[in-house]
Amino acid sequence: DTEVTQTPKHLVMGMTNKKSLKCEQHMGHRAMYWYKQKAKKPPELMFVYSYEKLSINESVPSRFSPECPNSSLLNLHLHALQPEDSALYLCASSQAMDEQYFGPGTRLTVT
Amino acid sequence: AQKITQTQPGMFVQEKEAVTLDCTYDTSDQSYGLFWYKQPSSGEMIFLIYQGSYDEQNATEGRYSLNFQKARKSANLVISASQLGDSAMYFCPPTQPGGGNKLTFGTGTQLKVEL
Repeated sequence: DTEVTQTPKHLVMGMTNKKSLKCEQHMGHRAMYWYKQKAKKPPELMFVYSYEKLSINESVPSRFSPECPNSSLLNLHLHALQPEDSALYLCASSQAMDEQYFGPGTRLTVT
Repeated sequence: AQKITQTQPGMFVQEKEAVTLDCTYDTSDQSYGLFWYKQPSSGEMIFLIYQGSYDEQNATEGRYSLNFQKARKSANLVISASQLGDSAMYFCPPTQPGGGNKLTFGTGTQLKVEL
C-alpha cells in the first residue's frame, strides 16, 4: 500500500479562522513533508519531519505550524492566513532518502 | 543546491507514439540521483522512476525509461506508447548534495497526449 491520505480535499477559510490540514501514511515511512504549490508553479518545500522531529523548516511564516503526533500522522495548523496563502498543500512521506510518495493534496482558499 | 533545467514548457505527442522529456542538471557532486514525477491536473504528485549516478544501466519502469548521460548531466525521460492518461506536468527533482531528503522542483514540462 503506497497511499498517503490528506484531509480535507478542499478548504475555504477566512483570514481570522484557525484550521488544520491532516496527512496520514501507513507505509512505515519515517520522514514526512509538507509542500506548498501555487497555481502553475512547482511545489515548494515547507517542512520536513524525520523520526517525528522537525528537521527542516524552510523559513515558513509562523502562521503555519506543523505537528507530527506520531510516525503515521502529520498536521499543518493554519492561523491568520493571508489570501496569498491560497494554494495546493501537498503532504509526502518517504523511507529515508528514497522516493517520496505524495498525497492528493488539499486545495486551500483564503478569503 | 542543484539546479534543474527543463527546457520544454509544453510538449504534444500523438497517442501510441513515444516522447522524450528533457532534464538537465548542474552539480559538482559525484554521487547523486534524479527522480521523475508526474502531476496530473488532479494535483497528486506520482513517482515514476529514479536514476542513481552510479547506476550502470539506464533505469526502466514499464513504459518509462531514462536516457541518462552523466557526462552531459542529462536524464531525459522517455515515455513509450503514450496514452491519454499520460497528459500531465512532469518534474525531475534531484537528490540534494551531501544527502538530505529535500526535493527542489524545476519548472516542469506540460505534456499533452492527443488522439
